[in-house]
Amino acid sequence: DAGVIQSPRHEVTEMGQEVTLRCKPISGHNSLFWYRQTMMRGLELLIYFNNNVPIDDSGMPEDRFSAKMPNASFSTLKIQPSEPRDSAVYFCASSFQALPQETQYFGPGTRLLVL
Amino acid sequence: AQTVTQSQPEMSVQEAETVTLSCTYDTSESDYYLFWYKQPPSRQMILVIRQEAYKQQNATENRFSVNFQKAAKSFSLKISDSQLGDAAMYFCALGANNAGNMLTFGGGTRLMVKP
Repeated sequence: DAGVIQSPRHEVTEMGQEVTLRCKPISGHNSLFWYRQTMMRGLELLIYFNNNVPIDDSGMPEDRFSAKMPNASFSTLKIQPSEPRDSAVYFCASSFQALPQETQYFGPGTRLLVL
Repeated sequence: AQTVTQSQPEMSVQEAETVTLSCTYDTSESDYYLFWYKQPPSRQMILVIRQEAYKQQNATENRFSVNFQKAAKSFSLKISDSQLGDAAMYFCALGANNAGNMLTFGGGTRLMVKP
């Protein structure tokens, strides 16, 4: 089992550029989560999907952020245009079912730096 | 709404000794689940242990155990025989039925292990 796969692992970009983060959940998992981690705000849930459908996007900071899950094995988080305050580590996680007792399995994260 | 509080930003333990990390939470749900996740320097979050609120028996996983005090809404993690590899950030998290399978995370405790 390859676990949750995220790419790229590191991204450095300039303010105003578009950034796309990618995630491949564990095969057979039906729920997918995008988190952002910063020193100031800790670990924040941005959005989560169940069966490829966005369920709760109340954590998405603003319209510059968008997320898609076109199929069960792929999701993207896009920031356009990016700003320095978007610099953070972005984690993708997946779980088998949309139940609170389900363990969430995290990917290695993408460290984003916006200059 | 759920809240999770970790009051210890940093903790330190001598190798082979025992350390306890504190976590308190608040939820209006009667059916919920509590988790401790470990985030080593590699950044990838890993589940350490899980507790179902309806179970009175404290969960244990090898050197890791919890002290679950439901009335006090307390969920502490005890690490016995601490090892250098235990050095990491530890996050307490709560999942409840009224939140789908969204987790609410605490702010984390950084554990340092001294040789």
